[in-house]
Amino acid sequence: GQQVMQIPQYQHVQEGEDFTTYCNSSTTLSNIQWYKQRPGGHPVFLIQLVKSGEVKKQKRLTFQFGEAKKNSSLHITATQTTDVGTYFCAPTPRADRGSTLGRLYFGRGTQLTVWP
Amino acid sequence: GAGVSQSPRYKVAKRGQDVALRCDPISGHVSLFWYQQALGQGPEFLTYFQNEAQLDKSGLPSDRFFAERPEGSVSTLKIQRTQQEDSAVYLCASSLEAASGRVGTDTQYFGPGTRLTVL
Repeated sequence: GQQVMQIPQYQHVQEGEDFTTYCNSSTTLSNIQWYKQRPGGHPVFLIQLVKSGEVKKQKRLTFQFGEAKKNSSLHITATQTTDVGTYFCAPTPRADRGSTLGRLYFGRGTQLTVWP
Repeated sequence: GAGVSQSPRYKVAKRGQDVALRCDPISGHVSLFWYQQALGQGPEFLTYFQNEAQLDKSGLPSDRFFAERPEGSVSTLKIQRTQQEDSAVYLCASSLEAASGRVGTDTQYFGPGTRLTVL
């Protein structure tokens, strides 16, 4: 089945420091979605990457999709306390991989703690 | 408006009881997914509907779990004879159209979840 590795599992930073989480897949992906889940909350959609080598920015957040469409990263510049939460990548495998179309495969995520 | 809603938000059941969890997807969304999230883990896929058709139920952990979406909108996840290992947050998500590959149409929007505790 689809294997998703997300690292690190935990990250503790001081406010103002940068943060990066990496997502690696064992198979080529159709696309990848990123979600943020606050403590006690539900996953909230951040962005979707579809094209090989794609880079998208949302204010302090930069998302990248690898050239081979097997990995992705999320980088946050100058973290703030509002960035606290767990960040999940959720890939969708290619349709020829025999998996349910549209099904998301979540890893364990990266839990970010920001100290003021 | 109109996000995904779920009810109840919290459910405590005694072991052996049956429970029913409801999901109201975003209006017009064709695809509906159920996920189970244990503490400290990412959501795990349970089942998927396209309109009223249940296209994949491979993630349901046992035959005690049953889901339906009879009119292609509201969905219910039923768990019979609940066990302690069923304790988790059950998340529902909907999208305009699954697996379109077109940005936006297969984006999944999650509801707040139902936290089930089985004593």
